[in-house]
Amino acid sequence: GAVVSQHPSRVICKSGTSVKIECRSLDFQATTMFWYRQFPKQSLMLMATSNEGSKATYEQGVEKDKFLINHASLTLSTLTVTSAHPEDSSFYICSALGQGALVTQYFGPGTRLTVL
Amino acid sequence: AQKVTQAQTEISVVEKEDVTLDCVYETRDTTYYLFWYKQPPSGELVFLIRRNSFDEQNEISGRYSWNFQKSTSSFNFTITASQVVDSAVYFCALGWGDQGAQKLVFGQGTRLTINP
Repeated sequence: GAVVSQHPSRVICKSGTSVKIECRSLDFQATTMFWYRQFPKQSLMLMATSNEGSKATYEQGVEKDKFLINHASLTLSTLTVTSAHPEDSSFYICSALGQGALVTQYFGPGTRLTVL
Repeated sequence: AQKVTQAQTEISVVEKEDVTLDCVYETRDTTYYLFWYKQPPSGELVFLIRRNSFDEQNEISGRYSWNFQKSTSSFNFTITASQVVDSAVYFCALGWGDQGAQKLVFGQGTRLTINP
């Protein structure tokens, strides 16, 4: 149980285009999902908290207009990187917060974004 | 402020050796959770353990064991009889919030290499 998927696993795009990343909780409902960013050989940095049916909460320094988050259902959150630039190239990881006995963040496999 | 320190950046041992990964945390909260995650080369974070601040019992799961000591604010992780498949980056994390994992702060990670 507690499986989280992400799609796509890898994406290469041209500078100026937008990229959408999907995060799904496959076998549990998650009212809260999180989006992290990880640079090579570094730790995970929280970008935003996504709550189903409400606006996302962004961490300080994260541009909400650049990183659009939509939590449309209890099993799906999406992150759209708008007008991507090479400096946005990174490993993006989502997590879903389990409930009750599963009160733990379960992480997706990550999406490696490369912006040319 | 919440903080997690993993002082060991990299550890390299020979297979079958025991190895301990250190984790020291800082928080003023009385209720919090501690986590260990494993990140293999594929990138996905694998949940290993969750401990709440009121439960100082040590835990053993197969070759893995965890030592939680509030007196020293430490939550160390030991792998006995290490195997090559244990090679990965290991992250310690501190969680807090309504459900104990609403917010997570990660340590910098320890890259563990098990040599055959």
